[in-house]
Amino acid sequence: GESVGLHLPTLSVQEGDNSIINCAYSNSASDYFIWYKQESGKGPQFIIDIRSNMDKRQGQRVTVLLNKTVKHLSLQIAATQPGDSAVYFCAQSGYKLTFGKGITLSVRP
Amino acid sequence: NAGVTQTPKFQVLKTGQSMTLQCAQDMNHNSMYWYRQDPGMGLRLIYYSASEGTTDKGEVPNGYNVSRLNKREFSLRLESAAPSQTSVYFCASSYTEGPANEKLFFGSGTQLSVL
Repeated sequence: GESVGLHLPTLSVQEGDNSIINCAYSNSASDYFIWYKQESGKGPQFIIDIRSNMDKRQGQRVTVLLNKTVKHLSLQIAATQPGDSAVYFCAQSGYKLTFGKGITLSVRP
Repeated sequence: NAGVTQTPKFQVLKTGQSMTLQCAQDMNHNSMYWYRQDPGMGLRLIYYSASEGTTDKGEVPNGYNVSRLNKREFSLRLESAAPSQTSVYFCASSYTEGPANEKLFFGSGTQLSVL
């Protein structure tokens, strides 16, 4: 079956540093990948997505990298801010989106 | 910009009670979903509706029923609540029909406790 995993359950970074959140996926047939951010007490919020015909996509302060060879997805956040503290989920497409368990990003002042 | 609206935000039930979680979206989306979120388990799909008039089971449908009332509204019903259904429930929607290969828009969730 499909599975999406995150390498680490928590990540602590210094304010102003860059953050890198990694995700491994299992379904090599997936053609769509997405990152969500979830703040405490709120629903998941879309950050950025990428289709399998791309290796990299940039948004505002965020970049998603897709390595299909090793089935690896990463989210890079530039100049991490306190407001970036949240749980981050990766997801891959199939007959439905399959979500990873989430990683907590904690930003140190 | 309401997006996806869920009610209620919090609910406490006794074992065996029934209740319906309501969800409405104002984005003219075709597909709607119900997920539950448990610690360490991520988001798991309960039911989804790819278009008005259709519903399908997800990963964890047992103990739940759904109704796609119209294009805007998708409700989740617990007929006889069990403590194992204590969770946070999220409704979501997306524009396309069929397989979910685009971003979902989520509501703010319903925290349900079953005693």
